[in-house]
Amino acid sequence: KNEVEQSPQNLTAQEGEFITINCSYSVGISALHWLQQHPGGGIVSLFMLSSGKKKHGRLIATINIQEKHSSLHITASHPRDSAVYICAVEYDFGNEKLTFGTGTRLTIIP
Amino acid sequence: EAQVTQNPRYLITVTGKKLTVTCSQNMNHEYMSWYRQDPGLGLRQIYYSMNVEVTDKGDVPEGYKVSRKEKRNFPLILESPSPNQTSLYFCASSFSSQGPYEQYFGPGTRLTVT
Repeated sequence: KNEVEQSPQNLTAQEGEFITINCSYSVGISALHWLQQHPGGGIVSLFMLSSGKKKHGRLIATINIQEKHSSLHITASHPRDSAVYICAVEYDFGNEKLTFGTGTRLTIIP
Repeated sequence: EAQVTQNPRYLITVTGKKLTVTCSQNMNHEYMSWYRQDPGLGLRQIYYSMNVEVTDKGDVPEGYKVSRKEKRNFPLILESPSPNQTSLYFCASSFSSQGPYEQYFGPGTRLTVT
């Protein structure tokens, strides 16, 4: 079974802390996506990775293909970063189908 | 502005009353998909379309229909809604099925079936 596991499920931190959210998957993939879902419900794509590392402002995403593992880091966290972060993978099946983790709920306390 | 739009955003209906949730994208994307999101289960794919007149089932297609007559539109049809279809629905699109490509999500439609 192709599974995507995220940890932790819930994370509460103080403003300014360094945040790490982890994602593991079970078989080879063509790409991994990190998505952000705010309380209003909308989903925004943060990163798409096939290898290595990407950075966007205070957000950094890394992927280790051999370990089948990815991490999303947030530096200098801020209350506006409070959201659900979702990892999703595309398997090598020749289409764009995403298989999703169940998400990590992040709360940043001022 | 590049976007995926869905309508309606909120809908309360009764069992058995046919409904359609519309999805439209203005990016000339080939690939479109419908997902449902349920607590504890995450997002699951209902149907997808690789191009006009090409659709296929996702993981949870039972009780749903789709059509892709035009490239920009991909409506989701519930012929006879049931309470277990109460969920948050998202439409998404990407440039092509020959990716990987970034996926763009609509704002979501919260459906309640009583």
